[in-house]
Amino acid sequence: DIVMTQSPDSLAVSLGERATINCKSSQSVLYSSNNKNYLAWYQQKPGQPPKLLIYWASIRESGVPGRFSGSGSGTDFTLTISSLQAADVAVYFCQQYYTTPRTFGQGTKVEIK
Amino acid sequence: QVQLQESGPGLVKPSETLSLSCTVSGGDIRDNHWSWIRQPPGKGLEWIGNIYYRGSTKYKSSLQSRVIISVDTSKNQLSLKMNSVTAADAAVYYCAKSGDTHDAFDIWGQGTMVTVSS
Repeated sequence: DIVMTQSPDSLAVSLGERATINCKSSQSVLYSSNNKNYLAWYQQKPGQPPKLLIYWASIRESGVPGRFSGSGSGTDFTLTISSLQAADVAVYFCQQYYTTPRTFGQGTKVEIK
Repeated sequence: QVQLQESGPGLVKPSETLSLSCTVSGGDIRDNHWSWIRQPPGKGLEWIGNIYYRGSTKYKSSLQSRVIISVDTSKNQLSLKMNSVTAADAAVYYCAKSGDTHDAFDIWGQGTMVTVSS
């Protein structure tokens, strides 16, 4: 199974500041035939299901604010919130869909400093 | 807009079978892949398995011997059966749809909490 490891487990950022979450996969999730990274990011608020933010490592889902961006390739990926808003307090998960079983990172909790 | 709604008993006895349904509205279950994912309280997300309506299923290997995922196209429903449950199976169970052009999960149900207790 591909193991997804996120860092940090939690972070506190001031409103308007940048938040950066890292995700590392135990093997590459880059499919060479189409040059796509099979990596997604989700946001989960308490009592709610996860919400898809990013797929193909860097494509924002429709309706997701532009302050969310994804980057990286192969085994190392980053989710950046460029200017943290109060509404962004949540747990964020990365997930690979390169192969089954689909696997998730352990989650990163983002709070306001 | 596709919507998903899970349903089923919130309490299951140890060693018995957990049975959940997921009703798809606003879309056709014959499109896309569908997954079951669970989340123990306060913990992370665990993919259980997925299905394409033609019957192709894949399961997490550690659960494969206890799980069956199926589709009822006449009801536009997805189902999950998990036998021999233990306390470790207590979780919020979600059904989720894969995207039209990718396999990330773009639509999730609200989830249903399953407790395992006698």
